[in-house]
Amino acid sequence: DAGITQSPRHKVTETGTPVTLRCHQTENHRYMYWYRQDPGHGLRLIHYSYGVKDTDKGEVSDGYSVSRSKTEDFLLTLESATSSQTSVYFCAVLDRVGTEAFFGQGTRLTVV
Amino acid sequence: QQPVQSPQAVILREGEDAVINCSSSKALYSVHWYRQKHGEAPVFLMILLKGGEQKGHEKISASFNEKKQQSSLYLTASQLSYSGTYFCGTAGYYGQNFVFGPGTRLSVLP
Repeated sequence: DAGITQSPRHKVTETGTPVTLRCHQTENHRYMYWYRQDPGHGLRLIHYSYGVKDTDKGEVSDGYSVSRSKTEDFLLTLESATSSQTSVYFCAVLDRVGTEAFFGQGTRLTVV
Repeated sequence: QQPVQSPQAVILREGEDAVINCSSSKALYSVHWYRQKHGEAPVFLMILLKGGEQKGHEKISASFNEKKQQSSLYLTASQLSYSGTYFCGTAGYYGQNFVFGPGTRLSVLP
């Protein structure tokens, strides 16, 4: 267990509003990731971070931004939520030797 | 860029065997395998590294063909607890761009 906490666990928001999801870890792992999970698509990488202020885009980054001002926190922001962003969002960290990823419990986001 | 997995779904009886395949269009340094049960987060099963090293689950095995950029997960003598969705994942040498396949849903029936 890498001590990963996602917040909130559930959120309903309206189209056009900004939303921020938080991922917090307690083990000082370098690599952190944000994924969205939708039926038929598996886990799709949105953004990832390899250190404080070091981030890069994943395969489905449009409409999302991230920030990492502290090692332990990785924030995912939907600047203006759309219904297509309704999904389950998972945060993950990679252990120090890069052999195992640990996932948070997920955030179920509904955009109405 | 996502790995490709096959089959999409498989149904087994307890005690039967299954193979799940994963392939990538890019050169692989390692292949990860994870299992996700309904409503839960994915959980690590094993990793296969270039060069043959393997770490992970005691009762589930896998292979990694570096030249063909393919990996297979072997589930032998399936148990009810093996039910879930299996994902393969690939990442760069340092962990960058960690992407997963679309998943294979495995159902083990009594």
